[in-house]
Amino acid sequence: SQQGEEDPQALSIQEGENATMNCSYKTSINNLQWYRQNSGRGLVHLILIRSNEREKHSGRLRVTLDTSKKSSSLLITASRAADTASYFCATVSRGSTLGRLYFGRGTQLTVWP
Amino acid sequence: EADIYQTPRYLVIGTGKKITLECSQTMGHDKMYWYQQDPGMELHLIHYSYGVNSTEKGDLSSESTVSRIRTEHFPLTLESARPSHTSQYLCASSTTGEGQPQHFGDGTRLSIL
Repeated sequence: SQQGEEDPQALSIQEGENATMNCSYKTSINNLQWYRQNSGRGLVHLILIRSNEREKHSGRLRVTLDTSKKSSSLLITASRAADTASYFCATVSRGSTLGRLYFGRGTQLTVWP
Repeated sequence: EADIYQTPRYLVIGTGKKITLECSQTMGHDKMYWYQQDPGMELHLIHYSYGVNSTEKGDLSSESTVSRIRTEHFPLTLESARPSHTSQYLCASSTTGEGQPQHFGDGTRLSIL
């Protein structure tokens, strides 16, 4: 399978703490993307990191990419209750004609007030 | 601020009925996708389209069919619904280009009795 796999499956933290989620994948990629999904809603794109990038920031989000280990991490700093959601990584394989995304099963993050 | 709309949000219907799930986007995106997602699981691509009059099947075998007569509209049809079709169906769109972020609708949660 080309799908990314997130780790852990579930994470529960207090408001103000940092949350780190990891993603591993199997093939060479063009880019890797992180999405958030609130309960009962569609996915929302958070951040895209290209294969030649190692780190990217967006607000309280920090994404790293290690292509030698075929892994990525998403760090949410100073978490809030509103960050409670499922987080998915999705990869785009290098040379893919469609440029389609392969999703993992996600990490369920719960942030307690 | 959703620019991609799915209707209905929820549908409970009996076995054997014909169902059409609607998806429309106002962003002028050429690429559109249908995913199937069971609770706590990854997204599986069931159909995609490069543009008008272009449709292809995805990875997950599905008895559904799609059409793309207009750029903004990508409906999914089940000719005869069965309990095995119970799932959440997510529609997405993206601009042309490899591995562009996808914009998702809020999904249709389908239950077949």
